[in-house]
Amino acid sequence: EVQLVESGGSLVHPGGSLRLSCEASGFTFSNYWMSWVRQAPGKGLEWVAHISQSGRDKFYVESVKGRFTISRDNARNSLYLQMNSLRVEDTAVYHCAGWGDGDAPWGQGTLVTVSS
Amino acid sequence: DVVMTQSPLSLPVILGQPASISCRSSQSLVYSDGTTHLSWFHQRPGQSPRRLIYKVSKRDSGVPDRFSGSGSGTDFTLKISRVEAEDVGVYYCMQNTHWPHTFGQGTKLEIK
Repeated sequence: EVQLVESGGSLVHPGGSLRLSCEASGFTFSNYWMSWVRQAPGKGLEWVAHISQSGRDKFYVESVKGRFTISRDNARNSLYLQMNSLRVEDTAVYHCAGWGDGDAPWGQGTLVTVSS
Repeated sequence: DVVMTQSPLSLPVILGQPASISCRSSQSLVYSDGTTHLSWFHQRPGQSPRRLIYKVSKRDSGVPDRFSGSGSGTDFTLKISRVEAEDVGVYYCMQNTHWPHTFGQGTKLEIK
């Protein structure tokens, strides 16, 4: 069964840090571009960061550049998002997602709440 | 950033009837190699999104053939030939031709 399971979300104060993890199973993780996509409560979807199969190429939405870092460990079938200098507007459910032709697995998401 | 505009934002449909959602992009989604990276997602209440269609018209594995995608350049359409109860939820178009990849604002389909 294809599965992505996120973890690491929690309540954090503005300016704080969190590291999200996503563990993949049931597909060849190293063959997929991977992303983090977030959804603020009651809102739509926003792409946050994107990483190539090897991890060499990384892309970020402007609002998180310099604060968030996407990475992956293909040996561990895992994707990560290091989030620093968190802001109230970063509050959202963060999903990890894989991108392939014919298949695009998504996780259920992990909730990040930034509040004082 | 490429702006994706969907219409309608709310779509009441009678079971068994067809449904259609439009998506327009603020610039062409044709990539340098000639491919067009436009996808459609469905999100049921309380669930994560599921991709239905990629590259305009290709169905993902396991997606019923009542779902079809069409379009080119900046104008795209998702059609459901006969709406079933499980089709309720929000539909999003998404472009991944240009970075940052961007989503439409969503179309909420409900059963009338």
